[in-house]
Amino acid sequence: ILNVEQSPQSLHVQEGDSTNFTCSFPSSNFYALHWYRWETAKSPEALFVMTLNGDEKKKGRISATLNTKEGYSYLYIKGSQPEDSATYLCALILNTGNQFYFGTGTSLTVIP
Amino acid sequence: DTGVSQNPRHKITKRGQNVTFRCDPISEHNRLYWYRQTLGQGPEFLTYFQNEAQLEKSRLLSDRFSAERPKGSFSTLEIQRTEQGDSAMYLCASSSRVHYEQFFGPGTRLTVL
Repeated sequence: ILNVEQSPQSLHVQEGDSTNFTCSFPSSNFYALHWYRWETAKSPEALFVMTLNGDEKKKGRISATLNTKEGYSYLYIKGSQPEDSATYLCALILNTGNQFYFGTGTSLTVIP
Repeated sequence: DTGVSQNPRHKITKRGQNVTFRCDPISEHNRLYWYRQTLGQGPEFLTYFQNEAQLEKSRLLSDRFSAERPKGSFSTLEIQRTEQGDSAMYLCASSSRVHYEQFFGPGTRLTVL
């Protein structure tokens, strides 16, 4: 079983604070890493698809970086807003198959 | 609505009964995935289809689980002789390429009494 680890497990921040989460994964056979946001009572939605070592992606106040050699990705949220409250999932796909390996997620609560 | 749809949204069944869930992916997506998600965990991969071919299946998947995608469009997931441990959210997702983003359906929440 392949371990994709996310930390922290949960996070409470004040509105306006910036925050970041970590996704750690085995570095061998890397193909791609996805970040998803999963709001309560909704479907998970893709934030970023990252494939290259050193990738940096940005969407509004949210950005992500990727280091495939050491096996980690960071997700940053600048100036958190209450609507950012959700569970953030990372998912790894290897070059040996089609299976996505999801982490357990980081649950973010932004307090107004 | 052209997103991924799943039916039913909720299913309550008694232990030992069979249940079947349906997923309708985005029409131009040839890749379809099934996942199971339990409280506090991320989605756990169950199986993957490319068109009508089931190309990958989790080794953790019990023989009581079977999935089909007969015409490469919608898919069904059947659980036979349900057990209480099968209670979970069953998610379906589709995509157009191997590492492209997945589009998820709303899920089917199964409760086995």
